[in-house]
Amino acid sequence: AQKVTQAQTEISVVEKEDVTLDCVYETRDTTYYLFWYKQPPSGELVFLIRRNSFDEQNEISGRYSWNFQKSTSSFNFTITASQVVDSAVYFCALSEAYTGRRALTFGSGTRLQVQP
Amino acid sequence: DGGITQSPKYLFRKEGQNVTLSCEQNLNHDAMYWYRQDPGQGLRLIYYSQIVNDFQKGDIAEGYSVSREKKESFPLTVTSAQKNPTAFYLCASSISGSGAGELFFGEGSRLTVL
Repeated sequence: AQKVTQAQTEISVVEKEDVTLDCVYETRDTTYYLFWYKQPPSGELVFLIRRNSFDEQNEISGRYSWNFQKSTSSFNFTITASQVVDSAVYFCALSEAYTGRRALTFGSGTRLQVQP
Repeated sequence: DGGITQSPKYLFRKEGQNVTLSCEQNLNHDAMYWYRQDPGQGLRLIYYSQIVNDFQKGDIAEGYSVSREKKESFPLTVTSAQKNPTAFYLCASSISGSGAGELFFGEGSRLTVL
C-alpha cells in the first residue's frame, strides 16, 4: 500500500532563513507521481509541483526547490530565504499509475511558521 | 472564472441528521474527489469518481455516500452513521482519473456536529 510520511509536524524559523521540509514515501508501483501542496490559513490547497518517478532532476522555482531521490524514497522541499507569506501547512502526496488507486495519498503535513 | 465551488462553507448539524455537501466544478474535469481533514492530520480520501456514474470508496467511506450523475457535480452526504463527522471537507477535481494530474481544490466546507 502507498504511504507518505512527513515526520516534521511543525517547524518555526525566522524570516530569511532557509528551511527544508522532508517527505518520505512508500510504494510498490514503478510508475508513480509525487506532489507538494500548500495550505494557507484560508484552507484551500494550492498546487506547487508534480514529479513523475522517471524524472529525478531537481527542480527550482524562484525561492522553492525540490530534491527527488528514488534511492532513499524521498522528495524534500526547500524554501530559501523564507518569508512570512510562506507560513502555511505543506503537504506531500503520492499517486500510483498502475497497481494502486489513482487518487492522491497525502502525508500528515508540516506546519511552517515564519517569524518576522 | 473556472474552478471548484463548495457549499456551504460552514454547516452545523444536530446528531442523527444527514447533511449534504455540494461540490460543483466548471473545469470540465473527468475525475472528482472528496477528502476529510482533521486537526493535525493530513487529508484522508473518502470517495472518488473517475468518470460520470462511477465512484469508488476511499480509506474512510463508512458513514458517507456520494453520487456522480453529472460531470460537474459530486455531492457528499454525511449520514447519521458517521460516528465523528465534525471535520473540514475538501472537494477536488483533476483532468483525468489517471493519477498523474494535479488536483484542483475547492475552499472546503467545515461541518460541526452539535
